[in-house]
Amino acid sequence: NAGVMQNPRHLVRRRGQEARLRCSPMKGHSHVYWYRQLPEEGLKFMVYLQKENIIDESGMPKERFSAEFPKEGPSILRIQQVVRGDSAAYFCASSLQQGADTEAFFGQGTRLTVV
Amino acid sequence: AQSVTQLGSHVSVSEGALVLLRCNYSSSVPPYLFWYVQYPNQGLQLLLKYTTGATLVKGINGFEAEFKKSETSFHLTKPSAHMSDAAEYFCAVRGDDKIIFGKGTRLHILP
Repeated sequence: NAGVMQNPRHLVRRRGQEARLRCSPMKGHSHVYWYRQLPEEGLKFMVYLQKENIIDESGMPKERFSAEFPKEGPSILRIQQVVRGDSAAYFCASSLQQGADTEAFFGQGTRLTVV
Repeated sequence: AQSVTQLGSHVSVSEGALVLLRCNYSSSVPPYLFWYVQYPNQGLQLLLKYTTGATLVKGINGFEAEFKKSETSFHLTKPSAHMSDAAEYFCAVRGDDKIIFGKGTRLHILP
């Protein structure tokens, strides 16, 4: 049973381009979370999705960022018109069910560099 | 609402010495608490978690943590540090839907 798979591991984009980050949850997991990590700042929650639904997007910037988790296929975090400040590591986690005691499993992350 | 404070962004200990990483939490409901470890350029790996029951929780790699409600703390300890323990450690608390992380503590092991 493969873990949470994120791709690409590294992504370089020029300012103004679009970045698409993919996350395939563990088999059987229908809950996906996206986090952004900046140096010395820990992981900041961005969005929580279930299949075809956004449950909590309180951590998502209001503009340029969007996320989806379709019925089929991976979850996608999309950043339009990237700026240098978007450079960070983006982590995806998945869990089997909702619940405070449910463990979330993390992917290896995608490191986005905007040049 | 939940929050986590990790005291000390960098901690250095000698190999073989006690490791103590501090974490205090704030939660309006009974907390579910976690410690994760992150090695360079890697994702997060769960070390241990507290949900209910025994307040002393044992995890992988010889780590353990004790939940102290009166002190709102969940400090991570290991009796004897090993060079392979050098990494960044994150304390986290979970509400109904998302996990809230502290800013992390980078552990340095001195030979």
